[in-house]
Amino acid sequence: QQQVKQSPQSLIVQKGGISIINCAYENTAFDYFPWYQQFPGKGPALLIAIRPDVSEKKEGRFTISFNKSAKQFSLHIMDSQPGDSATYFCAESTGTASKLTFGTGTRLQVTL
Amino acid sequence: NAGVMQNPRHLVRRRGQEARLRCSPMKGHSHVYWYRQLPEEGLKFMVYLQKENIIDESGMPKERFSAEFPKEGPSILRIQQVVRGDSAAYFCASSPLGHEQYFGPGTRLTVT
Repeated sequence: QQQVKQSPQSLIVQKGGISIINCAYENTAFDYFPWYQQFPGKGPALLIAIRPDVSEKKEGRFTISFNKSAKQFSLHIMDSQPGDSATYFCAESTGTASKLTFGTGTRLQVTL
Repeated sequence: NAGVMQNPRHLVRRRGQEARLRCSPMKGHSHVYWYRQLPEEGLKFMVYLQKENIIDESGMPKERFSAEFPKEGPSILRIQQVVRGDSAAYFCASSPLGHEQYFGPGTRLTVT
């Protein structure tokens, strides 16, 4: 499968701070880039997604920034809260209704 | 609208036994995907099905694993003659026609 490089592997952020998670992809045919949030013992939940024709998408405290020329995209969590502590996965897919290729995950811990 | 349902949530099998994992997609969703998550790892695609058809099985191990999505009833992921290396969380996702995939809570398989 195509490589999806996600960093950092783990992240500790103070409450109220900004959490930033990065992903880099190789296949320029990817045209859909979602982020998933997973709590221990639960299934991944779709958080926010972007297509390469836009450079940024914001939903509440969550923002995706997309850099097509660098083949990179990132998730920003503004005003991070302890309830945001979870593992975050970036993913990519090509075409409609195709499989997702996931990054390796980032374990976020938001401290008080 | 009920989410994706998976059962059982936990399954313990001895080496050599068969494991059957079930997935009921969200109402109105005709696309089903199965993913496997090993401990402390990301999700890996296994198979993509529509009703009565396997669309993409590029992530399925060649032996012992099979999947179906019959005209009536849930999708089934079947693992024959389980080995310890099959111990993992198995997630099902469903989608209407499009990119968004919504995950179930998973089945945690333990092989003893």
